[in-house]
Amino acid sequence: AQTVTQSQPEMSVQEAETVTLSCTYDTSESDYYLFWYKQPPSRQMILVIRQEAYKQQNATENRFSVNFQKAAKSFSLKISDSQLGDAAMYFCAYGPNFGNEKLTFGTGTRLTIIP
Amino acid sequence: ETGVTQSPTHLIKTRGQQVTLRCSSQSGHNTVSWYQQALGQGPQFIFQYYREEENGRGNFPPRFSGLQFPNYSSELNVNALELDDSALYLCASSARTGFNYGYTFGSGTRLTVV
Repeated sequence: AQTVTQSQPEMSVQEAETVTLSCTYDTSESDYYLFWYKQPPSRQMILVIRQEAYKQQNATENRFSVNFQKAAKSFSLKISDSQLGDAAMYFCAYGPNFGNEKLTFGTGTRLTIIP
Repeated sequence: ETGVTQSPTHLIKTRGQQVTLRCSSQSGHNTVSWYQQALGQGPQFIFQYYREEENGRGNFPPRFSGLQFPNYSSELNVNALELDDSALYLCASSARTGFNYGYTFGSGTRLTVV
């Protein structure tokens, strides 16, 4: 079974600075998806960024980028130029590339932005 | 394009009662997945519905059941509620062709069992 581990329950960063959130996962599959989701107090899970395992190039979405290390099964999220609106719970998730579209989530990292 | 909508937003039930939660999928999506998110935890997969049939189930007892309707909306039913069922229940819709085509969450239903 796949597992996702987020070892940082809480992180904080000064506004406009850069922060990196860590995630490791375990799977025996070679093709899969990895995701970072943001969950603000509104509760809705909002997709931040998605990485397809067969792509070696790290995904980037504006201020958000990932460091995908497939051999190490590591998938960290870097947030550049942190903004107050980035404050939220961040969840790392694994999704298979076949079968049902089931996501396996980590336990989350609460990110606080310091003005 | 409408997103995923869930109702109700909050619900309080008594232990032993039954509850039905509802989810309307995003336009163009034919698959609905349900997740349970306990306080301080990540969401856990309950089950998925595709074309009105259950298409995968997580480690949840049979008293968690669901339905999907021809318009792809879905219900989650929980019988014989227990205190541990208190959680945020999230619905996500997707296209059957997989994660490439989006996987959109609703804002959830907060269920409290007393």
